[in-house]
Amino acid sequence: DADVTQTPRNRITKTGKRIMLECSQTKGHDRMYWYRQDPGLGLRLIYYSFDVKDINKGEISDGYSVSRQAQAKFSLSLESAIPNQTALYFCATSHPGTPQQETQYFGPGTRLLVL
Amino acid sequence: QKEVEQNSGPLSVPEGAIASLNCTYSDRGSQSFFWYRQYSGKSPELIMSIYSNGDKEDGRFTAQLNKASQYVSLLIRDSQPSDSATYLCAVVQAGTALIFGKGTTLSVSS
Repeated sequence: DADVTQTPRNRITKTGKRIMLECSQTKGHDRMYWYRQDPGLGLRLIYYSFDVKDINKGEISDGYSVSRQAQAKFSLSLESAIPNQTALYFCATSHPGTPQQETQYFGPGTRLLVL
Repeated sequence: QKEVEQNSGPLSVPEGAIASLNCTYSDRGSQSFFWYRQYSGKSPELIMSIYSNGDKEDGRFTAQLNKASQYVSLLIRDSQPSDSATYLCAVVQAGTALIFGKGTTLSVSS
């Protein structure tokens, strides 16, 4: 079984709809992240969480919210989806400690299309 | 805005050649540096990490770090067609998370 899973893998929605992307991990990591990827723009950080009670905004948090329901679960919500939120979304996890332990492990991604 | 810069490419090399990928970063406080490989439509996978100035070798891959120049590079020796992918440079900024460059697309021709 994959260590980091994302659901759904693909989603088509309409402008104005609320949508939730879910991420679960079995790695036992405390830290979880949400990124979006657009062609030519690389990976951009949306939100990150260093533990269950810690939520931090990333580079592009406007229009998004998150919930850290448990150590293993981190959800990303688009409150009112708009077409420029069409992108590939990745969840990632890491373990705190030495720099060597900061390696991030990525889920398979969720491809979102907002019409 | 703290940044990580990469040439977008594409970088084209023949099979068997050395591919050289470069990255600069703006935050002098950065301590951890990573190279991820990403195939089209897939998630990034870690191929190298480096934390100290100098070279770090792992098989055909060598990462080089120069903190004074705020520069990190990745060399791929004996390039193979299977190395064709986008390579993402990433830097950990103190107290935050990974910041990624936009990636360099490498194409290895047989």
